Amino acid sequence: DTEVTQTPKHLVMGMTNKKSLKCEQHMGHRAMYWYKQKAKKPPELMFVYSYEKLSINESVPSRFSPECPNSSLLNLHLHALQPEDSALYLCASRPADRDTEAFFGQGTRLTVV
Amino acid sequence: QKEVEQNSGPLSVPEGAIASLNCTYSDRGSQSFFWYRQYSGKSPELIMFIYSNGDKEDGRFTAQLNKASQYVSLLIRDSQPSDSATYLCAVNMDTGGFKTIFGAGTRLFVKA
Repeated sequence: DTEVTQTPKHLVMGMTNKKSLKCEQHMGHRAMYWYKQKAKKPPELMFVYSYEKLSINESVPSRFSPECPNSSLLNLHLHALQPEDSALYLCASRPADRDTEAFFGQGTRLTVV
Repeated sequence: QKEVEQNSGPLSVPEGAIASLNCTYSDRGSQSFFWYRQYSGKSPELIMFIYSNGDKEDGRFTAQLNKASQYVSLLIRDSQPSDSATYLCAVNMDTGGFKTIFGAGTRLFVKA
């Protein structure tokens, strides 16, 4: 299994809603990432988990809350989002070795209304 | 200074020509460098990776790395219309925190 699976593929939520994005990989990768990508912009790093511990938080607003329940799963909990948070949210994983590439999921297209 | 810099383009080349994409990075301790291709609305897919100074070839693609100049490039030979996409340079920063940072991406158009 060489895939990173993200669910859902599309999500529309209101500004008062609470929702979660999910990411799963079974490649034994111990580093997992959340990126946010706006149209015509590069992926912007949000969070990095290494060995199930949050190792990097790129000053992301608290309305985004990551969680890594185990080595295969990564969640992103969303609450009180703003319309400008609408974007493609990408999950990625890689082995816990710096000289390795990241494998990306297909992304969740989030629209906040 | 941005951590990873690319010319956003667009870069337009005729079919069959060589496309040259460039990237510079700020962290002198970085050891691994990647080129991803991204089609509109899709997730990035890995094209090439390079760790050592010099050239690395894979089919029509050649990655070049010069650590002294903190510069990495991607050459696409015999460019095809299907190569039209955004090419993202990515660098694993030498922070010990598994930080992978992307450049702004270069949009490539290959004209038939």
